[in-house]
Amino acid sequence: DTAVSQTPKYLVTQMGNDKSIKCEQNLGHDTMYWYKQDSKKFLKIMFSYNNKELIINETVPNRFSPKSPDKAHLNLHINSLELGDSAVYFCASSQEAGYYGYTFGSGTRLTVV
Amino acid sequence: SQQGEEDPQALSIQEGENATMNCSYKTSINNLQWYRQNSGRGLVHLILIRSNEREKHSGRLRVTLDTSKKSSSLLITASRAADTASYFCATDAATRKLVFGAGTILRVKS
Repeated sequence: DTAVSQTPKYLVTQMGNDKSIKCEQNLGHDTMYWYKQDSKKFLKIMFSYNNKELIINETVPNRFSPKSPDKAHLNLHINSLELGDSAVYFCASSQEAGYYGYTFGSGTRLTVV
Repeated sequence: SQQGEEDPQALSIQEGENATMNCSYKTSINNLQWYRQNSGRGLVHLILIRSNEREKHSGRLRVTLDTSKKSSSLLITASRAADTASYFCATDAATRKLVFGAGTILRVKS
């Protein structure tokens, strides 16, 4: 049983397209996150949701829009994709943000051409 | 900006040797965590140490935390080829998010 699953694993798309990445966790965690890892392996938080409520929205272009239909799911929609959006996007979840470790998904490698 | 700075950036050792990675951070924290990332994979949580703890062990891992110096170290004893990965420290500063360091690439040669 995969604890945090993301789909798709790979995504190759052209500039200007709109794409979505889906994430689901079966751990019963309250909080879910999106992180972006760039080509130099830097990990930066993008968004965080707690029980479907947005609690962290870092300085991310508004072309990125997260959606959490329930506390087990957190999707990321990206409009008008740009070359600089190419990265690996990780979904993660935790119980009681700030007190426990995170469980990460395996990542979605997005390549914009 | 990144909260944590890790040192060294890369480390290459022989199987059986110990590996030590260091992490320094800038602000007060609730806890500090270490993660491992194998190539092309997600991050795996290794250990969490709270700000009122000084040392923690988990199997072959030993983590220390010095809040006065704002630094932590991860020691992997008796390393194995399977320990080859990138290791990241991450800090929680009561901001409800983890902020990651740049990582240390560890290569264990067999």
